Amino acid sequence: SAVISQKPSRDICQRGTSLTIQCQVDSQVTMMFWYRQQPGQSLTLIATANQGSEATYESGFVIDKFPISRPNLTFSTLTVSNMSPEDSSIYLCSVTGVSGGYEQYFGPGTRLTVT
Amino acid sequence: EDKVVQSPLSLVVHEGDTVTLNCSYEVTNFRSLLWYKQEKKAPTFLFMLTSSGIEKKSGRLSSILDKKELFSILNITATQTGDSAVYLCAVEPYNTDKLIFGTGTRLQVFP
Repeated sequence: SAVISQKPSRDICQRGTSLTIQCQVDSQVTMMFWYRQQPGQSLTLIATANQGSEATYESGFVIDKFPISRPNLTFSTLTVSNMSPEDSSIYLCSVTGVSGGYEQYFGPGTRLTVT
Repeated sequence: EDKVVQSPLSLVVHEGDTVTLNCSYEVTNFRSLLWYKQEKKAPTFLFMLTSSGIEKKSGRLSSILDKKELFSILNITATQTGDSAVYLCAVEPYNTDKLIFGTGTRLQVFP
């Protein structure tokens, strides 16, 4: 497996502000994804972070709200923009293609609380 | 619409008990089924299953897939308090790399 780190691990933010979450992998990976897990819920895919091009968003998620960057094969960022209390969630990045495998591994997550 | 259903939603057992967690799915162009353990924030990878009838085993945990009946089970024998977690099942269709998650089974193991 790969070592995946996320920063920050948690944050408390005021509504109307934005937060950028970083995801760093210790080796090059094929795919990087961003998930959201709202309180008491399972994981929902926000988007696939594409290296060198715009992210691919799932239904219900838009670029203006969740801009994503992936400048290289080991790093990605997710920004949660113009936050509201409904954005309070755990945000997780995940990767596939570690050592050529298909398994998807998750980062440690970022717990976001919006007040 | 693709979906993954897990049962039971929660389970409370005593140390030493054996538990079976269920996952059924409906997905177009199935490629694989994955099991994760989530204790705090990050889901930890347990197993990936692609073929029917082949058991995957790691210590006290084992899992098997039935592609005809569209389900998988995760068995944990001789449970310990450290097994307390939410166990997530996810299915991956072909050509997407996306995971479709079930709602999870919350397992609590008491001494």
